[in-house]
Amino acid sequence: QKEVEQNSGPLSVPEGAIASLNCTYSDRGSQSFFWYRQYSGKSPELIMFIYSNGDKEDGRFTAQLNKASQYVSLLIRDSQPSDSATYLCAVRGAQKLVFGQGTRLTINP
Amino acid sequence: GAGVSQSPRYKVTKRGQDVALRCDPISGHVSLYWYRQALGQGPEFLTYFNYEAQQDKSGLPNDRFSAERPEGSISTLTIQRTEQRDSAMYRCASSPQPDRGDLTGELFFGEGSRLTVL
Repeated sequence: QKEVEQNSGPLSVPEGAIASLNCTYSDRGSQSFFWYRQYSGKSPELIMFIYSNGDKEDGRFTAQLNKASQYVSLLIRDSQPSDSATYLCAVRGAQKLVFGQGTRLTINP
Repeated sequence: GAGVSQSPRYKVTKRGQDVALRCDPISGHVSLYWYRQALGQGPEFLTYFNYEAQQDKSGLPNDRFSAERPEGSISTLTIQRTEQRDSAMYRCASSPQPDRGDLTGELFFGEGSRLTVL
């Protein structure tokens, strides 16, 4: 079992709709959870982090964490074509920050 | 510069040669990480440093890979006797705070060094 799992996609969403990205992790002791965005040919950049169970909102982005289910998600409201990118879930385990394989998201105008 | 700087940006080498990849983190950043990213995959952890101390090297694939950060700033990832399977994008990242198992902040990534082994 991979430490951090994501659906690789591609996920296609119409402009203006809600995009939902999901991630599961295997280490129950994980404390910190991150979402990075990576445009094609570019380096990853942080969008959001979350440490506590529940929801955390930042503009059009909402991160959701459920430690009991070992599940993290990212919601993007009012999706824009500029949101088209690969979204990487990262989980801080005991020793290192582990990334999932990423979900490729395409927003269709 | 203001960001994480990596060199060379592109490196083509023949199988069996040694390569050294350099990372210059953001000034003042304490922790430094090396990741490897294959096309279509997420970054794969290799190793990380707090200051000059290597904290975790569990991700280094084998003993041909080594990393150092002797003065707590610039780091070098060295791959000896390169093999074709070593071809990938090697990414360095830094963070302003030490990572003692409780990373709570952002990693700032460089643009990467793309290694191709022929």
